[in-house]
Amino acid sequence: DAGVIQSPRHEVTEMGQEVTLRCKPISGHDYLFWYRQTMMRGLELLIYFNNNVPIDDSGMPEDRFSAKMPNASFSTLKIQPSEPRDSAVYFCASSLADGFAFGSGTRLTVV
Amino acid sequence: GDSVTQMEGPVTLSEEAFLTINCTYTATGYPSLFWYVQYPGEGLQLLLKATKADDKGSNKGFEATYRKETTSFHLEKGSVQVSDSAVYFCALPDTGRRALTFGSGTRLQVQP
Repeated sequence: DAGVIQSPRHEVTEMGQEVTLRCKPISGHDYLFWYRQTMMRGLELLIYFNNNVPIDDSGMPEDRFSAKMPNASFSTLKIQPSEPRDSAVYFCASSLADGFAFGSGTRLTVV
Repeated sequence: GDSVTQMEGPVTLSEEAFLTINCTYTATGYPSLFWYVQYPGEGLQLLLKATKADDKGSNKGFEATYRKETTSFHLEKGSVQVSDSAVYFCALPDTGRRALTFGSGTRLQVQP
């Protein structure tokens, strides 16, 4: 299995632009998570899905953030409009039972 | 709510030194406990886990024992290598929701 696949690995964008991060979970995993990692706040859970349905989005910082999971093999995290304070590494993870697998992350820089 | 507290880093050691990274937790009941490792430029990888009190998780020379009396899950390694340089995260499952809560992470730097 290829593991959790995220794209792009790096994204540099200008303030105000729309950014879309993508994630392909491990086949058969029924949970998908989006985390954000910053030096100041560490790893924060943004949102998670179970069987493609959003379960808890209480960690999404603002209405500028949205996430979708149209099918079991794909999820997106969108920021519109982006701001410099959104600069961080965004991780996607998938899970089955108590095992969690993380992608390599997308490093987002908003200038 | 559930939380994890890790020792502040960075921790700088010489090769072959003994490593301890402290982790204490606050949780309802007795959840599974995890250590994850993040190498530079990569995602988090599961290092080891323990599912009940007094269990010892081990992997790649690292060990951690689930101590319910002290609510701790300290990570240890008898002889570190340069290749162990990474950030280490202690974690536990959230009560009532299917996600992991992570500690702040401890950066380990091993010098030759």
